[in-house]
Amino acid sequence: KNEVEQSPQNLTAQEGEFITINCSYSVGISALHWLQQHPGGGIVSLFMLSSGKKKHGRLIATINIQEKHSSLHITASHPRDSAVYICAVRGRSGGGADGLTFGKGTHLIIQP
Amino acid sequence: NAGVTQTPKFRVLKTGQSMTLLCAQDMNHEYMYWYRQDPGMGLRLIHYSVGEGTTAKGEVPDGYNVSRLKKQNFLLGLESAAPSQTSVYFCASSPDNRQLNEQYFGPGTRLTVT
Repeated sequence: KNEVEQSPQNLTAQEGEFITINCSYSVGISALHWLQQHPGGGIVSLFMLSSGKKKHGRLIATINIQEKHSSLHITASHPRDSAVYICAVRGRSGGGADGLTFGKGTHLIIQP
Repeated sequence: NAGVTQTPKFRVLKTGQSMTLLCAQDMNHEYMYWYRQDPGMGLRLIHYSVGEGTTAKGEVPDGYNVSRLKKQNFLLGLESAAPSQTSVYFCASSPDNRQLNEQYFGPGTRLTVT
């Protein structure tokens, strides 16, 4: 079973700061997801990636397959970015059993 | 499109009572999943379905049953609720199980068992 570790668990920053959230996993994967969970509880997918880097607005996700590590960056952070950010991985074995394995999440608070 | 919806949003049960959580999706997705989310833990897969009429166990299936009689609906049943089943339950769906397919999540059901 893949172990997914996120750091930090909690992060409080000031508006405008550059934010980095890290995710490491123990076993080779076919894809990695970054998800966002707002205080109201809903979960939305931010990125899915299997290599390299993806960018969407102020969000950037990178993955290093060799090091089994991914980072989520937020540039020019804003209070509306306050949420729990969750890393999840999909195993390589394929088949219907491959739901995602989730990290515990990083609770981010951006103060004005 | 409504996406993925869950009914009910909140429920309080007494130990031993039964209930069914309904998940519905209007995206014609083949795969559907039930997860539970507990404080200090990542989401964990309870059961999943790879198509109408199929179900399979996930990581934490004990105490739950599921059914997928129609492609758009995935039901999660608790036959005899226990306090350990107090949790937030999320349903998700995806078109299939290809590598980079997004999972779409419902809004969650907060269940308390007293």
